[in-house]
Amino acid sequence: DVKVTQSSRYLVKRTGEKVFLECVQDMDHENMFWYRQDPGLGLRLIYFSYDVKMKEKGDIPEGYSVSREKKERFSLILESASTNQTSMYLCASSSVQQGVYQETQYFGPGTRLLVL
Amino acid sequence: AQSVTQLGSHVSVSEGALVLLRCNYSSSVPPYLFWYVQYPNQGLQLLLKYTSAATLVKGINDFEAEFKKSETSFHLTKPSAHMSDAAEYFCAVSDFSGGYNKLIFGAGTRLAVHP
Repeated sequence: DVKVTQSSRYLVKRTGEKVFLECVQDMDHENMFWYRQDPGLGLRLIYFSYDVKMKEKGDIPEGYSVSREKKERFSLILESASTNQTSMYLCASSSVQQGVYQETQYFGPGTRLLVL
Repeated sequence: AQSVTQLGSHVSVSEGALVLLRCNYSSSVPPYLFWYVQYPNQGLQLLLKYTSAATLVKGINDFEAEFKKSETSFHLTKPSAHMSDAAEYFCAVSDFSGGYNKLIFGAGTRLAVHP
């Protein structure tokens, strides 16, 4: 079974703090994604990566950055946390071997971040 | 650009009743469509996906969805609801704009099942 793990289930931070969210997958997947999930808005893509050291902006990248130094690990960084970044953050991975457009994304359990 | 609309943010059914969760998509190319489920305090997991092989797609836990091109719909159904089906359900479509394959998710439908 594919396993995607996230470093924390719950996190409380202060406004202005630098926040790191870590995601690790154990299936040698090429693609990794970071989403935020908010009620009524579904999942919105923040950043994604199709290879080590490669990153692409998603739909809502402002206020975030990412790092992918190793294939299995994809980090989301909030440079200076703000209250409007309070949300659920979900990491996902997928493999191109399934075929373009058909890739199933496998999700981690999520990190619920509260910024005070 | 692709988009997904899920009609009804909350659906409530009785145990044993039919489950129908609606999804309409907008796509300029033949779409690849997905349904994911999120149980409380968990990440999303795939229920089923349409990849043009067959218009009626069967997934896990007796869920199925039918792709109807003329209606641009991909509604999710289950003949008989169980209490364990209570969860949030997301419809998604593949999007290849920008040269990379991504998923565009709907806003989600929360399913409640009552005795």
